[in-house]
Amino acid sequence: AQSVTQPDIHITVSEGASLELRCNYSYGATPYLFWYVQSPGQGLQLLLKYFSGDTLVQGIKGFEAEFKRSQSSFNLRKPSVHWSDAAEYFCAVGLYNFNKFYFGSGTKLNVKP
Amino acid sequence: GAGVSQSPRYKVAKRGQDVALRCDPISGHVSLFWYQQALGQGPEFLTYFQNEAQLDKSGLPSDRFFAERPEGSVSTLKIQRTQQEDSAVYLCASSFGQQNTGELFFGEGSRLTVL
Repeated sequence: AQSVTQPDIHITVSEGASLELRCNYSYGATPYLFWYVQSPGQGLQLLLKYFSGDTLVQGIKGFEAEFKRSQSSFNLRKPSVHWSDAAEYFCAVGLYNFNKFYFGSGTKLNVKP
Repeated sequence: GAGVSQSPRYKVAKRGQDVALRCDPISGHVSLFWYQQALGQGPEFLTYFQNEAQLDKSGLPSDRFFAERPEGSVSTLKIQRTQQEDSAVYLCASSFGQQNTGELFFGEGSRLTVL
């Protein structure tokens, strides 16, 4: 069965510090991988996606993610976190020509001043 | 409209009542999804439409849940005889479908509380 695991429920980082959010997936083939961000009271917004090719992908708001097939991982990174990055982040796997998506349980990011 | 619109944003229902949640997707989007997000959880797939056809309803938790998209645009998720375990945020998302990048555009959700 397909699954997405985000092992960290909450993460707190200081503003200006680097960030890495972990995501592992279970799927029989190379999936389509996504990171979404959900700010309070807002809908989920796409940060970045990976389909094929270069395993390091760039997204909006200075985020990047690296696909590692050997580890079945797609971790999200940002070199320097801003207070406005405080939100909940969801990793997702897209299957079947985008007819179904599976989401992780999310990681809530707090940013200390 | 410019984005996916959902209504109502908040709904409180007494156990046993029927509720209807509406989703107005982005104009021209072929695909429409409903997700259920329980407190502290990620979105869980409920059902998927391509135009007016409901191609996958494998995530609907029981036969009390019913979704439709009769004209291929607006969709309604109906929950009959609501139970407390139905309390969640119901998210609607749309996309262009296979021709596009797979990006889902989400509404802000409808928060259902069943008392």
